Amino acid sequence: DIQMTQSPSSLSASVGDRVTITCRTSQSINNYLNWYQQKPGKAPKLLIYAASTLQSGVPSRFSGSGSGPGFTLTISSLQPEDFATYYCQQSYTSPWTFGQGTKVEIK
Amino acid sequence: EVQLVESGGGLVQPGGSLRLSCAASGFTFRNYSMNWVRQAPGKGLEWVSYVSSSGSTLHFADSVKGRFTISRDNAKNSLSLQMNSLRAEDTAVYYCARDSLPVAGGTGAFDIWGQGTMVTVSS
Repeated sequence: DIQMTQSPSSLSASVGDRVTITCRTSQSINNYLNWYQQKPGKAPKLLIYAASTLQSGVPSRFSGSGSGPGFTLTISSLQPEDFATYYCQQSYTSPWTFGQGTKVEIK
Repeated sequence: EVQLVESGGGLVQPGGSLRLSCAASGFTFRNYSMNWVRQAPGKGLEWVSYVSSSGSTLHFADSVKGRFTISRDNAKNSLSLQMNSLRAEDTAVYYCARDSLPVAGGTGAFDIWGQGTMVTVSS
């Protein structure tokens, strides 16, 4: 199985900060990398697919980059509604696997 | 409105069985691959199972292989997960999730999620 390692596991940031989350994969996955946002008690929401393509309706302050084995999710200017947990996921091969999550908290 | 609604969760004893359902609406269900993803309390996301748009191709996580079965009824716009020989470690919120594109095999990205249904395995 492809292992996904996110860093950091958590971070504290202020509104307006630039935030970067990293995801590393145990093998090459081309650009089959997706990012999700999850708020407490809610289902995950797809933010970015194919490493860098913004899902429809997602604000442009979110961006993704990279190619195997390292990928990044960047929030250019953190907004109050962005405090949540973020997951990366590989869709290169079954079993699809997720990173352990990065919790973004208010500083 | 594009929507997925899960049902069937509950409390079950270890070794027991449960069947989850997911009702789809607002899109052409038969065109999309579908998945189940679960999340144990306070933990991360774990993909559980996949079914192709036609129902002919199935995939399972090793943790549930041989115990869980996925199926779909395209005439009724519904997805199911039959869970047998349940264990305490199967306790989780179970989400059904749609693949993001109506293409053969899907993309593996999940763009529409249900609200989740809680399964608790405990004596």
